[in-house]
Amino acid sequence: NAGVTQTPKFQVLKTGQSMTLQCAQDMNHNSMYWYRQDPGMGLRLIYYSASEGTTDKGEVPNGYNVSRLNKREFSLRLESAAPSQTSVYFCASSVQDSNTGELFFGEGSRLTVL
Amino acid sequence: AQSVTQLGSHVSVSEGALVLLRCNYSSSVPPYLFWYVQYPNQGLQLLLKYTSAATLVKGINGFEAEFKKSETSFHLTKPSAHMSDAAEYFCAVSSYSTLTFGKGTMLLVSP
Repeated sequence: NAGVTQTPKFQVLKTGQSMTLQCAQDMNHNSMYWYRQDPGMGLRLIYYSASEGTTDKGEVPNGYNVSRLNKREFSLRLESAAPSQTSVYFCASSVQDSNTGELFFGEGSRLTVL
Repeated sequence: AQSVTQLGSHVSVSEGALVLLRCNYSSSVPPYLFWYVQYPNQGLQLLLKYTSAATLVKGINGFEAEFKKSETSFHLTKPSAHMSDAAEYFCAVSSYSTLTFGKGTMLLVSP
């Protein structure tokens, strides 16, 4: 029972480099989310996908792009990494939109941008 | 827009003492409210949720929360803290198709 799987778990980048964080869920959920967590800031929504084929911006989308590859997978791309993007990134999924449903989280991807 | 405010970034209790973590919400419509817990180096997991049924909601690990509309509050309580309760706790409110989280409260439990 893998649930939500994120890769990589750790990554160090130099300013200006690009990378993609991968997320896959095996629960047949419709909705998927990317959050970032910073000390004292809680979790802030970057992008979400309410269903396969749709994506929408969250609270802090600048500097990121996403792709809902299929129902299982939702990737987050940093085209030109900046030190301000040093954070812990969490992918989550839910059966439907999160208004009444429970979000299931991955274990996080720790990204450091030098 | 819906939002939540958690009072206190850190709360310290002794083992066996009452746990009270405070959350106030701002919402223009009847909200759905959640408490999540995060253990070190892990993702968040749901403790309990309020979805307009009973105002007193019971969750896992002995936690409960009471929805008080007049006070716009959804405080989390546990009668007797255990060392294993040490973690960070997040209150969240439904906001359109997503959840908006508070900044979190770190619960410290001393022997």
